Amino acid sequence: DAGITQSPRHKVTETGTPVTLRCHQTENHRYMYWYRQDPGHGLRLIHYSYGVKDTDKGEVSDGYSVSRSKTEDFLLTLESATSSQTSVYFCAISYSGTSGRREQFFGPGTRLTVL
Amino acid sequence: AQSVAQPEDQVNVAEGNPLTVKCTYSVSGNPYLFWYVQYPNRGLQFLLKYITGDNLVKGSYGFEAEFNKSQTSFHLKKPSALVSDSALYFCAVRTTDSWGKLQFGAGTQVVVTP
Repeated sequence: DAGITQSPRHKVTETGTPVTLRCHQTENHRYMYWYRQDPGHGLRLIHYSYGVKDTDKGEVSDGYSVSRSKTEDFLLTLESATSSQTSVYFCAISYSGTSGRREQFFGPGTRLTVL
Repeated sequence: AQSVAQPEDQVNVAEGNPLTVKCTYSVSGNPYLFWYVQYPNRGLQFLLKYITGDNLVKGSYGFEAEFNKSQTSFHLKKPSALVSDSALYFCAVRTTDSWGKLQFGAGTQVVVTP
C-alpha cells in the first residue's frame, strides 16, 4: 500500500456526531487525496492537498473538511455526520513513477457507517 | 469536462477464456488513462497506465490494455482468465491540470467461474 495507513479502519457513528479520519504516509509525498467509494459511482474525489496547509475541494466536498498540518498526515473531518456519508473512504498519494508522470497509490480504506 | 464510462456492471467469464473489460473516455487533449483492481475488502491496486507511445500497454498479473484514439476506448484484456482475477475493476482518467487528480468510472465486477 505504498506506505499509506488509514485509521480507523472501521467506524460506526450516529447522525450529527463529528468524525475524523486519518491518513498517514511515511514517504513525504507532496500530493494526497481523499476519495469516497459508493456502488455505482466508483471513486469520487472529496478533497486533495498539494502541500502542508495547501488543500482544495474535489467533486463531492460538501459536508467535509480537511487539514494538513504535517506532510505525513491528511485528515478528513465530517463536521456533523449524515447517513448519506456512509461509505468507504480511501486516501491516496501520488508521485512520479518511472514514466515521469504522477501515479496514484491507495491506502487500505476506512469503512464508515452513519446510523 | 472529462469523463470515463464503464458500460458493463458485471462481466462473467469461464476460467481459461479471454477476459475483456470495457472503458470509454471523454477528455480534451491527450488522455492519461489508468486501470485499477480492487479485491474484496482491499484498497485499489494499480494495474497499468497509458501515457503515450504504444497503443498496447502491458501491466501486472498478465493484463494488458489497448488504447484506441478513434474509438476513445481503453479496454482491459487478459488472454486467459483465472478464478483469482475475480474482482472489481476501475478505469480512470487523470485530469489535465497539474494536481494529478483521477476521475473514475463506476467499476466493473468481474466474475470468473471454474
